[in-house]
Amino acid sequence: GAGVSQSPSNKVTEKGKDVELRCDPISGHTALYWYRQSLGQGLEFLIYFQGNSAPDKSGLPSDRFSAERTGGSVSTLTIQRTQQEDSAVYLCASSLGGFGETQYFGPGTRLLVL
Amino acid sequence: RKEVEQDPGPFNVPEGATVAFNCTYSNSASQSFFWYRQDCRKEPKLLMSVYSSGNEDGRFTAQLNRASQYISLLIRDSKLSDSATYLCVVIGNTGFQKLVFGTGTRLLVSP
Repeated sequence: GAGVSQSPSNKVTEKGKDVELRCDPISGHTALYWYRQSLGQGLEFLIYFQGNSAPDKSGLPSDRFSAERTGGSVSTLTIQRTQQEDSAVYLCASSLGGFGETQYFGPGTRLLVL
Repeated sequence: RKEVEQDPGPFNVPEGATVAFNCTYSNSASQSFFWYRQDCRKEPKLLMSVYSSGNEDGRFTAQLNRASQYISLLIRDSKLSDSATYLCVVIGNTGFQKLVFGTGTRLLVSP
């Protein structure tokens, strides 16, 4: 079956612009996660959705970052007024939602802020 | 101190060698433990879960020592295709499922 998909695969933007990153989870997966991986850094957690609710937003680095999920499916991560330090690979993962369930990752969106 | 620490490597080994990676975690209440594999410019993929009793999957063996807060991965008979970054991953006890990743250990298997 289809895995997690993300779009765009690559995004180049200018400092100060807003960007939207999209994630389509595996069908039937109730849990959805956003992570980011910066050059030379490990993956860091950003936000977790269970259905359309986000019980854990603790990883969002600033109020320029927001995310939503609609219909218990597609999620959008929005970064407003992008900064150069936002350049990273943004990865989305989904799981069945139970504790310890395997998280399956999408291919990521490579964001470069000039 | 990072919540999950790994030796970044790289570990350079010849084909057929046995190699071991270690990882320590700081949150004693952590509940679940995993090894993920990440190929260059690809997404992470689950390699195996790690249990206190130890578990084996083919050439791969994972061990968890809760008392020492230490996780290990052993790869026997290394293949060229094993070249990748191996990520040690922990889930805490918050009730939420966020994965906490180590920075990864890079393995290079050469002919």
